[in-house]
Amino acid sequence: NAGVMQNPRHLVRRRGQEARLRCSPMKGHSHVYWYRQLPEEGLKFMVYLQKENIIDESGMPKERFSAEFPKEGPSILRIQQVVRGDSAAYFCASSPVQRSNYGYTFGSGTRLTVV
Amino acid sequence: KNEVEQSPQNLTAQEGEFITINCSYSVGISALHWLQQHPGGGIVSLFMLSSGKKKHGRLIATINIQEKHSSLHITASHPRDSAVYICAVNTGTASKLTFGTGTRLQVTL
Repeated sequence: NAGVMQNPRHLVRRRGQEARLRCSPMKGHSHVYWYRQLPEEGLKFMVYLQKENIIDESGMPKERFSAEFPKEGPSILRIQQVVRGDSAAYFCASSPVQRSNYGYTFGSGTRLTVV
Repeated sequence: KNEVEQSPQNLTAQEGEFITINCSYSVGISALHWLQQHPGGGIVSLFMLSSGKKKHGRLIATINIQEKHSSLHITASHPRDSAVYICAVNTGTASKLTFGTGTRLQVTL
């Protein structure tokens, strides 16, 4: 039973390009969370999604960032017109239900570098 | 002031030593989590606590709800324990996690 799969592991983009980060939750998990870890900083919440719904996007920057979790396929975090400050590790976590008593399973992250 | 504070920020220990990492929080929580992150690696969930104490192998986690404090202990530490240990909480009824800044542990031979 594969864990949370994130791809790509490493992504390099030039300023102004788009970055698409993918997250496939664990089998049976329908809740997905995206977190960002800036260099030398702690993890920060970005967005919480269920299938086809955004539940909480209070941590998402107002511009250029969007997220989706379609009925079929992985969750996607999309960053348009990337800037150097977007360089960070982006982690996805999943859980089977809201506020799961079983905790969360994290992916290995996507390291985005903007050059 | 962060809602979740960890101490120490950095910790160096010799193999075999008993290690304690502390976490204090200033808000009401429904659960507290201890996570492990190896350099350049992913995040592994070690424990989820809402009360009392949990043990897994050489790792022990405790929480005191009244004092809003949790500790992670590592007995008989080993170089492979070298990692960043992160405390995180579910505040109130929230499903999302709020994180401490982590404790960087290095265990030497």
